[in-house]
Amino acid sequence: KAGVTQTPRYLIKTRGQQVTLSCSPISGHRSVSWYQQTPGQGLQFLFEYFSETQRNKGNFPGRFSGRQFSNSRSEMNVSTLELGDSALYLCASSPGWNEQFFGPGTRLTVL
Amino acid sequence: EDKVVQSPLSLVVHEGDTVTLNCSYEVTNFRSLLWYKQEKKAPTFLFMLTSSGIEKKSGRLSSILDKKELSSILNITATQTGDSAIYLCAVEAGDAGGTSYGKLTFGQGTILTVHP
Repeated sequence: KAGVTQTPRYLIKTRGQQVTLSCSPISGHRSVSWYQQTPGQGLQFLFEYFSETQRNKGNFPGRFSGRQFSNSRSEMNVSTLELGDSALYLCASSPGWNEQFFGPGTRLTVL
Repeated sequence: EDKVVQSPLSLVVHEGDTVTLNCSYEVTNFRSLLWYKQEKKAPTFLFMLTSSGIEKKSGRLSSILDKKELSSILNITATQTGDSAIYLCAVEAGDAGGTSYGKLTFGQGTILTVHP
């Protein structure tokens, strides 16, 4: 089975811009979770989607949003980028009740 | 708020040594505890422990869940330089009915360095 794929792998943006990241889960998996990883805060949960519904959301501002499509692919969007949004954004795929498998991540740099 | 604490934060050993990494947690409606290994890329899944499976083993790695003490250990025997990585512990909580909501709370990680 192919693993979790994320695009793009690297992204450079400037403050105030917005960005959209994409995640394709493992075939058959219906749950996609998003995490932000920074050296200072570690891995922090952003939100989770299951069958196109957001089931859970972490403590991030409303500038962070996401969605899931009928084929389970998911996107997350960050609007009005700030320097502090520079991070590795990871998505994880799961059948919905089992272990989560991570994609390679998108490295976002905000200048 | 769910909380996961790992210790030690870093560890330096020599090849052949045995190491024990610790993870303690405070969560409401515990569902599972997971261990991941992270090198210079995304975390790689190692083990998942639940109430029905409190001990797992794979090669030189093994893990035990102590539900009474709300903790887990990850043991690595006969360490190799390839074991050098950050080891992450994460806990999944659910609702009162046990439904997963896909949220993992991670500890800070233990940085393991294995010298030849």
